[in-house]
This record gives sequence, C-alpha cells and structure tokens, in this order.
Amino acid sequence: AIQLTQSPSSLSASVGDRVTITCRASQGISSGLAWYQQKPGKAPNLLIYEASNLESGVSSRFSGSGSGTDFTLTISSLQPEDFATYYCQQFYSFPVTFGPGTKVDI
Amino acid sequence: EVQLVQPGAEVKKPGATIKISCRVSGYTFTDLYIHWVRQAPGKGPEWMGLVDPEDGETIYTENFQDRVTITADTSTDTAYMEVSGLTYDDTAVYYCASGSCTTSGCYTPADWGQGTLVIVSS
Repeated sequence: AIQLTQSPSSLSASVGDRVTITCRASQGISSGLAWYQQKPGKAPNLLIYEASNLESGVSSRFSGSGSGTDFTLTISSLQPEDFATYYCQQFYSFPVTFGPGTKVDI
Repeated sequence: EVQLVQPGAEVKKPGATIKISCRVSGYTFTDLYIHWVRQAPGKGPEWMGLVDPEDGETIYTENFQDRVTITADTSTDTAYMEVSGLTYDDTAVYYCASGSCTTSGCYTPADWGQGTLVIVSS
C-alpha cells in the first residue's frame, strides 16, 4: 500500500497567517491526491481533489499543488473557522490511504 | 446535493456481526461510488472499501476483505457494510461517503454521512 506522510504533525498559527502543509507519498501517485479538513465530531470535508482542483463551495484561500510524490496544501490567510485537522488522501492505487493528519491550532 | 443518512450508534459484543446502512438521496445512486471509511477514537480515517451500485462490484482493503462485506440495494438507494468477528479494536465511527466520477472523482469521497458510532463492549 502507498504510505503518506505529512509534515508538520501539528502547528500553531494566528488568524491571517499563511499556512503550508506538506504530504509525501512513498511512491509516485501522479495527481492522485486529495485534501480534507476535519473538525472534532464531524466527518471529513473535501477541500482539494486531483492535487490542485478546488472543490465546489470551498473558499479560494485554500489551494493545492504538487504531483508525483510531493504535495502541498496552502491556506493563504488563516481564518478562525480553519482551525482543524487536515488529511491528505491518495487514490492513485488501491487501497486508498490517508495521511496521519496535521492539526492546526491557535 | 447528495445526502447520506446512517444510523447513529450501535453497541455490540465481541465476536458479533454488525450491518450498517447508508441511505442515499439527492443524486442518482448508480452514478456514485459508495465508500466506507472508519475512524477510531483519536486516530485518522481508514479506508475500508467501496461498492459501485451500478454493477455491485466491490473493492476492499486487504486488512478487511475477510471480515467485511459491502453491498448496494438499488431498489432503496441504500448501501450496506457488514463487519463480522468484531473485536474491541473495531470500536470506531464508521462513515459512508460518495464519490462521483463526473465531478471530483469516483475515488475521492466528496459527500459524507454523519457517521455511525460502533462500540464493541462486553
């Protein structure tokens, strides 16, 4: 199975900060990567699909980039509602796998 | 908008079997792939498998393929996941989620149910 690692595992930031989260795959996955946001007690919420495509209804302050093995999620200006845990997910090959998560707090 | 409705919570004894339902509305059921993902307390999501309701084809992760059965009933637009031989380690929230091949992708769940908390306890 393709393994995903994320860095950092957690970070502290302030409202208005630019935040970047990295996801690395154990082998090349082309653009087969998505990013999710999850808040406590809620289901994951899709932000980015196919590495760089913004899901409908998601704020444009979220952006994704990368291909192959290295990917990034960027939040251009952190808002109070963005404090959450972020997961990358690969769907290039089965089984679908998720990264371990990056917790963003104040 | 796709809506997926699951039961709220269930308590099962070790060794038991559970079958969780996921009723889909707001979209053509056979145009979706239905995924099942679980999340143990304090852990990240873990993908378990999926079903294509159009033809019933399933894909499972190797960890679960001996204990998990995923099905889809097109007469009621409902997907099911059955897990047998429950152990304490199966205590988790189980989510169904849908992926559309015409939007964000078959294998990228975009819409999620609210989750079913399964507690395995003697």
